[in-house]
Amino acid sequence: DAGITQSPRHKVTETGTPVTLRCHQTENHRYMYWYRQDPGHGLRLIHYSYGVKDTDKGEVSDGYSVSRSKTEDFLLTLESATSSQTSVYFCAIRPGQTYEQYFGPGTRLTVT
Amino acid sequence: AQTVTQSQPEMSVQEAETVTLSCTYDTSESDYYLFWYKQPPSRQMILVIRQEAYKQQNATENRFSVNFQKAAKSFSLKISDSQLGDAAMYFCAYRSAYEQGLGSNSGYALNFGKGTSLLVTP
Repeated sequence: DAGITQSPRHKVTETGTPVTLRCHQTENHRYMYWYRQDPGHGLRLIHYSYGVKDTDKGEVSDGYSVSRSKTEDFLLTLESATSSQTSVYFCAIRPGQTYEQYFGPGTRLTVT
Repeated sequence: AQTVTQSQPEMSVQEAETVTLSCTYDTSESDYYLFWYKQPPSRQMILVIRQEAYKQQNATENRFSVNFQKAAKSFSLKISDSQLGDAAMYFCAYRSAYEQGLGSNSGYALNFGKGTSLLVTP
């Protein structure tokens, strides 16, 4: 258990509404990541953070923004949700001095 | 960007038998890390095994072992004595050794293959 929680775990929303997903960690890791998982694509990086207020884009960042105002929380925002953003979203952390990442339980988002 | 290819969308194995899942990757970097993650129906992503590219010795973790062929850019996972609980999606992943690695995935992020679904039959 890497001490990662995601909220909400499930959400259904309508096209055009803003949505914020939260990732919370308890161990003060510097690096945090947001991925999305879609059938036939594996997991793809949306954004990542390397410290408070330090974030950068990943492979599929269009339509998403992130914020990290404190070490333990990394927020992913869909400014205006679209049906193409229906997906399972995973948060991950990379403990310092390790090579691997550990994942949260995921959030299933459905945009209708 | 580095490409990770899992050419077997589905595999099947009988309980107690051995199965090998394939993974190839494309990179021009010399230093990197490779991983296998397991995703059971619970959806949780679980790290199975990792391999450092600078190590010639293949990694092993109990019933799981890898065959790492750096020159061929191949990283297969062997599961011995398969158990019903091994049924899951398996993802191969690549990570650059450098924070500003090549391609769109930097920040030590993982590049994943599309996964192989493993079915274990009694």
